[in-house]
Amino acid sequence: KAGVTQTPRYLIKTRGQQVTLSCSPISGHRSVSWYQQTPGQGLQFLFEYFSETQRNKGNFPGRFSGRQFSNSRSEMNVSTLELGDSALYLCASSLWGGEGETQYFGPGTRLLVL
Amino acid sequence: AQSVTQLDSHVSVSEGTPVLLRCNYSSSYSPSLFWYVQHPNKGLQLLLKYTSAATLVKGINGFEAEFKKSETSFHLTKPSAHMSDAAEYFCVVSDEPGYGNKLVFGAGTILRVKS
Repeated sequence: KAGVTQTPRYLIKTRGQQVTLSCSPISGHRSVSWYQQTPGQGLQFLFEYFSETQRNKGNFPGRFSGRQFSNSRSEMNVSTLELGDSALYLCASSLWGGEGETQYFGPGTRLLVL
Repeated sequence: AQSVTQLDSHVSVSEGTPVLLRCNYSSSYSPSLFWYVQHPNKGLQLLLKYTSAATLVKGINGFEAEFKKSETSFHLTKPSAHMSDAAEYFCVVSDEPGYGNKLVFGAGTILRVKS
């Protein structure tokens, strides 16, 4: 099976712009989670989607949003970009998103905000 | 809330010597625990997972971890380090019930392997 894919792999944006990142889960997986990785804060949970519904959300401002499509592909959007949004954004998929279920991560999208 | 503490931010070993990466967790519930590895400019790869079936968990590439409830520890070991093991390792715990499959990550341990 193909793994989790994320596009684009690299992005450069300027402050105030918005950005959309895409994630395609492993075939058959219906849960998609997003994480932000920064040198200062480490890996932090953004949100999780299952069956096109956000089930869980981390402690991030409303500028961070996401959605999931009927084929389980997911996008996340960051509006009004700030310098501190520069990070590696990782997407993970699992079958049902159950507690303790193994999540498989994509290679990430590296976002640089100038 | 669940939390994870990785006791060493950096570990340096010589090739062929044992590896020990230490992790303590805090949990009010019976947690699921994971170790993931991240090579430079790559995503996270699952090394192993504990889900209460057995306290000694074997993973990929010769790694294993032992769950010790009395010590709230889940240390990662490997008998003999290889150059390709140089990477950052994350100890991870599933969040408490009601938070779905949210993962809580430790700060990471960078493993350096000297030739």
